[in-house]
Amino acid sequence: AQTVTQSQPEMSVQEAETVTLSCTYDTSESDYYLFWYKQPPSRQMILVIRQEAYKQQNATENRFSVNFQKAAKSFSLKISDSQLGDAAMYFCAYTQGAQKLVFGQGTRLTINP
Amino acid sequence: DVKVTQSSRYLVKRTGEKVFLECVQDMDHENMFWYRQDPGLGLRLIYFSYDVKMKEKGDIPEGYSVSREKKERFSLILESASTNQTSMYLCASSLYNSYEQYFGPGTRLTVT
Repeated sequence: AQTVTQSQPEMSVQEAETVTLSCTYDTSESDYYLFWYKQPPSRQMILVIRQEAYKQQNATENRFSVNFQKAAKSFSLKISDSQLGDAAMYFCAYTQGAQKLVFGQGTRLTINP
Repeated sequence: DVKVTQSSRYLVKRTGEKVFLECVQDMDHENMFWYRQDPGLGLRLIYFSYDVKMKEKGDIPEGYSVSREKKERFSLILESASTNQTSMYLCASSLYNSYEQYFGPGTRLTVT
């Protein structure tokens, strides 16, 4: 069974600095998708970024980028120029089919002003 | 914008009660999902449905059932609530062939 592990329960960063959240996963499949979801204190989960496993180029969305290391089964999220609105729970997720996401345990990110 | 709504933000029920959690999406999505979220465990899939009247068990279906009589509505049922079902419940939906899921705001259920 596929598993996703986030080893950092909590992280904090100074406003305007850069922070990296870690995620590793375990799968025997070669085609799959990886995601980072953000859950702000209001609790509506939103998609931050996604990566297709067949693409070598790392995905980027504005201040958010990933470091996808397929051989190492690692998928970290880098947030540049951190803002107060980035404070949230961040979940790494995996899917091989379109019907089921497997989530990591989550990392709570605090932004210090 | 896709909108997924859940009937309650907070709910308190007694042990043994039958509990209904309702989820409605307005984007004609085929797939709908129920997750529970617990600290340190992330989100775990309870049930999902890829069509009206169709359902599939997720990773933790025990103690739960679901109903999908209309495409836009997916209900999670706790037949006899127990204290270990105290949790945050999240509903999500997606298009049939899409990997992107859209989430509702969640229902925090407390069973006393």
